[in-house]
Amino acid sequence: KAGVTQTPRYLIKTRGQQVTLSCSPISGHRSVSWYQQTPGQGLQFLFEYFSETQRNKGNFPGRFSGRQFSNSRSEMNVSTLELGDSALYLCASSLAQGDNEQFFGPGTRLTVL
Amino acid sequence: AQSVTQPDIHITVSEGASLELRCNYSYGATPYLFWYVQSPGQGLQLLLKYFSGDTLVQGIKGFEAEFKRSQSSFNLRKPSVHWSDAAEYFCAVGARGGGADGLTFGKGTHLIIQP
Repeated sequence: KAGVTQTPRYLIKTRGQQVTLSCSPISGHRSVSWYQQTPGQGLQFLFEYFSETQRNKGNFPGRFSGRQFSNSRSEMNVSTLELGDSALYLCASSLAQGDNEQFFGPGTRLTVL
Repeated sequence: AQSVTQPDIHITVSEGASLELRCNYSYGATPYLFWYVQSPGQGLQLLLKYFSGDTLVQGIKGFEAEFKRSQSSFNLRKPSVHWSDAAEYFCAVGARGGGADGLTFGKGTHLIIQP
């Protein structure tokens, strides 16, 4: 069974731009969570989607948003990029909402210049 | 709110020696506990998990961890490390039944293997 895939793997953007990252969960998994990883703050929970609805959200500004499609694939969007948004963005899939056993993708490395 | 502390930022171990990585958590009840490993440029791979039952859990790659409720700890151990074990290790806690905060991770322990 294929694992979690994320595209693109690397992105370079400039301040003020917006970006969309994509995540395809493991087949049969219906929940997708997103995390931001930075050297200073570590791994921080962004949000969780299940059945095309955002179920939980971490402490991030409204510039960070996401959505989930009927096939469970998910996208996250960051608008008006700031230098501090440079990070590794990790997607994790699980069978159901609130299922703590999460399987992570390789991440998207975003660099904001 | 739940939290995880990994007291050791870096640990250096000789190849073939035993390893113990420390993890302490704060949570109001019995949590779900996890250890993940991350190699450079990679995502997180689940090593093992504790949900309930036997407090000594076995994972992949020869790792094990012991849940000690009285000490709020979930330390990771391996009897003999290999050079390929060099990586970043993260302990994480999750709320039973799911929670608004997703998984909460420690800051990680960077494991260095000396030849």
